[in-house]
Amino acid sequence: SYELTQPLSVSVALGQTARITCGGNNIGSKNVHWYQQKPGQAPVLVIYKDINRPSGIPERFSGSNSGNTATLTISRAQAGDEADFYCQVWDSFSAEVVFGGGTKLTVL
Amino acid sequence: QVTLRESGPALVKPTQTLTLTCTFSGFSLSTSGMCVSWIRQPPGKALEWLALIDWDEDKYYSTSLKTRLTISTDTSRNQVVLTMTNMDPVDTATYFCARIGDIAVAGYGMDVWGQGTTVTVSS
Repeated sequence: SYELTQPLSVSVALGQTARITCGGNNIGSKNVHWYQQKPGQAPVLVIYKDINRPSGIPERFSGSNSGNTATLTISRAQAGDEADFYCQVWDSFSAEVVFGGGTKLTVL
Repeated sequence: QVTLRESGPALVKPTQTLTLTCTFSGFSLSTSGMCVSWIRQPPGKALEWLALIDWDEDKYYSTSLKTRLTISTDTSRNQVVLTMTNMDPVDTATYFCARIGDIAVAGYGMDVWGQGTTVTVSS
């Protein structure tokens, strides 16, 4: 089955740019979605289909996807951005939703 | 306003069957492109996808759990039901349902989630 690989943790200084990667075989050919999950809360969709932001998501959140890596970029990181982030795709070969293992973002 | 709410038992015994209900409002599952999915999250662990039902009532299951899962819908009551058989302590988790609003526009991104319901499996 298809696998998505994320770093366990990413740290970023306050006000700087964080990049969270999601690796998968030829992931550039798939639509990648990103979720932010704060402790005790349900996940929130922050990027859909690689680069699109749902309404209400700050422009500081952006996405890209090419080759074997998709990336979520958070500019001007704020303390409130601290959370777990998950990438997700639909694997049409197996007809399954696949989540990455999640990345804990720490803002220093 | 789109909302989803999960309901079901907080505690089940090993070997029992779990039945969870996702009651939603603000959209119709009969609308082309619409889907509802179930996802779970064991304490301190990652999200794990379980099942999905679409507007045509086509059903999709996690390969690793498909022998234990059944997803169904009651469109008249705006509900999606998930059953999981032969429950084990490792199935202890928070179970979420989520909407996929329009796969043609947003792919399989889940744009609205329920708050989740916690299920503990213990004798």
